[in-house]
Amino acid sequence: GAGVSQTPSNKVTEKGKYVELRCDPISGHTALYWYRQSLGQGPEFLIYFQGTGAADDSGLPNDRFFAVRPEGSVSTLKIQRTERGDSAVYLCASSPQQLAGASDTQYFGPGTRLTVL
Amino acid sequence: SQKIEQNSEALNIQEGKTATLTCNYTNYSPAYLQWYRQDPGRGPVFLLLIRENEKEKRKERLKVTFDTTLKQSLFHITASQPADSATYLCAPDTGRRALTFGSGTRLQVQP
Repeated sequence: GAGVSQTPSNKVTEKGKYVELRCDPISGHTALYWYRQSLGQGPEFLIYFQGTGAADDSGLPNDRFFAVRPEGSVSTLKIQRTERGDSAVYLCASSPQQLAGASDTQYFGPGTRLTVL
Repeated sequence: SQKIEQNSEALNIQEGKTATLTCNYTNYSPAYLQWYRQDPGRGPVFLLLIRENEKEKRKERLKVTFDTTLKQSLFHITASQPADSATYLCAPDTGRRALTFGSGTRLQVQP
């Protein structure tokens, strides 16, 4: 079956530009997560959706970052006025979201490598 | 504050040997801990989850231990193979749905 897909795989942009990164989760997975990974580091949490709503956006670094999931499946991470420090791999993950408090295995996409020049 | 530590230096071992990776955490008590594998250019892949009431868990050549007194998890790969070369990430539960990862340890298995 299809896993989590992310597009584009690579994105090069100039400082100050706006970018959108897309995530297509595994069909039927209600939970969707965005992470950011810098070289030599583990992924860092950005935002978590349960269905269409953002259940936890405490990882978003500032108000230039925004994400949506309007129909509860595909999600888009939007970054305004990009800065060189935004360069990283942006990972998306989904999970079936079992009972509250249960531990969910997360299934990751391959990531989008964002480079801000 | 919660802190997760993994050895940032790469671990180099010979094929056939047992690889042991360490994950230490401080200032909290996770109910469970997950281990993921990440290959270059790919997202992490789930390997094992161990709960606080489990001392040890095994899956094929993989074994994970969880010592809540030492606040440490050990991840073992027995009879290692070059195909096991990857970065291994631990993610102790922090009470949130989102995962909080350590920085990962890169394992290199030499043929």
